[in-house]
Amino acid sequence: GESVGLHLPTLSVQEGDNSIINCAYSNSASDYFIWYKQESGKGPQFIIDIRSNMDKRQGQRVTVLLNKTVKHLSLQIAATQPGDSAVYFCAESPRGYQKVTFGTGTKLQVIP
Amino acid sequence: DTEVTQTPKHLVMGMTNKKSLKCEQHMGHRAMYWYKQKAKKPPELMFVYSYEKLSINESVPSRFSPECPNSSLLNLHLHALQPEDSALYLCASSQEVTGQGTYNEQFFGPGTRLTVL
Repeated sequence: GESVGLHLPTLSVQEGDNSIINCAYSNSASDYFIWYKQESGKGPQFIIDIRSNMDKRQGQRVTVLLNKTVKHLSLQIAATQPGDSAVYFCAESPRGYQKVTFGTGTKLQVIP
Repeated sequence: DTEVTQTPKHLVMGMTNKKSLKCEQHMGHRAMYWYKQKAKKPPELMFVYSYEKLSINESVPSRFSPECPNSSLLNLHLHALQPEDSALYLCASSQEVTGQGTYNEQFFGPGTRLTVL
């Protein structure tokens, strides 16, 4: 079936370095791709999204890249901080509302 | 107010019990969601309500019964659950639109940690 998955389950990064979290997706029909952050004991929190007609989008300290040719999504976090430690989920949504399918998640550990 | 609240935070119930999970938002969102999240796994969509009507049921067993009494409240009634139903149950809400445009961000509550004995 269609799925969204991640290459690395755990990523350790030195504080101040840049982080790159990768995701592979298989549903070519999805129009929206989203990154969520989930801290321990909390619900997921929206970080950034990108529509399928774009290949790059920037937010505050974050950049999402979309490569439709190889069905790959990545989240880049600049100057990683201890507060960035969390599990990061990529997700896809066919229409941008209601149905969202989450990928398997990557745990980001920031080393002080 | 950009908060989704959920009660209770923790719930322990036996397989013969009946309990309810509650969710509330005051952001004027007309779409509300229930997700189930097992440990170290991603959230899995269970139900979606749009304008207080059930629009998506992801083939969830009937021992889970959702209810949307008004635009701010969402309940999940639980009856005759199994130990494998133990999980974190997340509620979310978002704007509701009928056409394509931008992604409608889902705002999540902190979840209810459910244990079924």
